[in-house]
Amino acid sequence: ETGVTQSPTHLIKTRGQQVTLRCSSQSGHNTVSWYQQALGQGPQFIFQYYREEENGRGNFPPRFSGLQFPNYSSELNVNALELDDSALYLCASRPTGGDTEAFFGQGTRLTVV
Amino acid sequence: AQSVTQLGSHVSVSEGALVLLRCNYSSSVPPYLFWYVQYPNQGLQLLLKYTTGATLVKGINGFEAEFKKSETSFHLTKPSAHMSDAAEYFCAVLGAGGTSYGKLTFGQGTILTVHP
Repeated sequence: ETGVTQSPTHLIKTRGQQVTLRCSSQSGHNTVSWYQQALGQGPQFIFQYYREEENGRGNFPPRFSGLQFPNYSSELNVNALELDDSALYLCASRPTGGDTEAFFGQGTRLTVV
Repeated sequence: AQSVTQLGSHVSVSEGALVLLRCNYSSSVPPYLFWYVQYPNQGLQLLLKYTTGATLVKGINGFEAEFKKSETSFHLTKPSAHMSDAAEYFCAVLGAGGTSYGKLTFGQGTILTVHP
């Protein structure tokens, strides 16, 4: 157990719909990152939030957006879902610091049909 | 830009045999390197990390890795494989500055199969 919890664990959506995924960070962690892991691939960085501000973003279109709340929990929102958005979405939290490890949640498996 | 290459998408060993999973990285700054393990339908669990100091790093479950700057490598080893080691393993480099700060760049992963 890492202390990072994600909900829901599984989700099925239709192409064109919108989805919100949630993450509760480990206590004391003020940095949260989201990753997309397509089947058979390594996780790809989507974006990172620190104290409610986005401070890093990977090569993902603007329809991928996020929020971080004062209690450091976080949301990932994806609009206009496409079939290729089907993946495992991982949330990771860590305390501030250059070399600190990221603690990952169990992930949300999103299937777009 | 940073990148990670894992040589071999699948590695198969017998129980009790040596495990060697290969990782090479590219980074413009001294790297922070990690190995994570992922069991089916689960998140990532940290095995070990290298930041500074000793280049031979010991992790959980008997795994260790050696940072070799001259070879830009961070290979993962375990002297004797156990059936419970069967999983997918990811090598990752952590961005240390600029727009890469805090970003983990992962390799494609290596699936380890352990035969009885």
